[in-house]
Amino acid sequence: DQQVKQNSPSLSVQEGRISILNCDYTNSMFDYFLWYKKYPAEGPTFLISISSIKDKNEDGRFTVFLNKSAKHLSLHIVPSQPGDSAVYFCAASARNTDKLIFGTGTRLQVFP
Amino acid sequence: EAQVTQNPRYLITVTGKKLTVTCSQNMNHEYMSWYRQDPGLGLRQIYYSMNVEVTDKGDVPEGYKVSRKEKRNFPLILESPSPNQTSLYFCASSLRGRAELGTDTQYFGPGTRLTVL
Repeated sequence: DQQVKQNSPSLSVQEGRISILNCDYTNSMFDYFLWYKKYPAEGPTFLISISSIKDKNEDGRFTVFLNKSAKHLSLHIVPSQPGDSAVYFCAASARNTDKLIFGTGTRLQVFP
Repeated sequence: EAQVTQNPRYLITVTGKKLTVTCSQNMNHEYMSWYRQDPGLGLRQIYYSMNVEVTDKGDVPEGYKVSRKEKRNFPLILESPSPNQTSLYFCASSLRGRAELGTDTQYFGPGTRLTVL
């Protein structure tokens, strides 16, 4: 049972435009959400996070939106750059647990 | 430099031959974890450890063992590897167990690509 889902395995965006990566979850106990970025031959690196008490968190070109009623979060990258080309994983954790549940990942390609 | 290291980075072995993948972190983190990444399945947690001598199963622990005798090391042991354990493995660590307010994110090692023939 996939508790965190990224339904788009890949996304292609032109440089300078907005990239929107989506993530859905099923467990209403999740209260903390993160995005990780992964380049080939490297481990994932933390990108941005959001607590369930917020609906938006912004860090430079990256903004994460959380819609609790829809159990949906999204990552916006504006403007997209070729260096953003990577696999993006969303992850979630629930109160009183010690685990992160990861989604299946979305491969973003930003072309010139 | 703060980092998580894994060895080996690549390993090809045969079914049934015991192997160990080492993981070490130099950040004095309490929490360490092992994940495997498979196409279409994302990252799945195998085992994790909240501190020395404290380990617990993740979502896919079958066929794996771990130990946490020292704070910095968290080896992953495959006693009798099988082809379905062919995967990309990541070790990760964080200061505490649970990510909170962006101050406790997990730091990942570079990965170990394991092939079991």
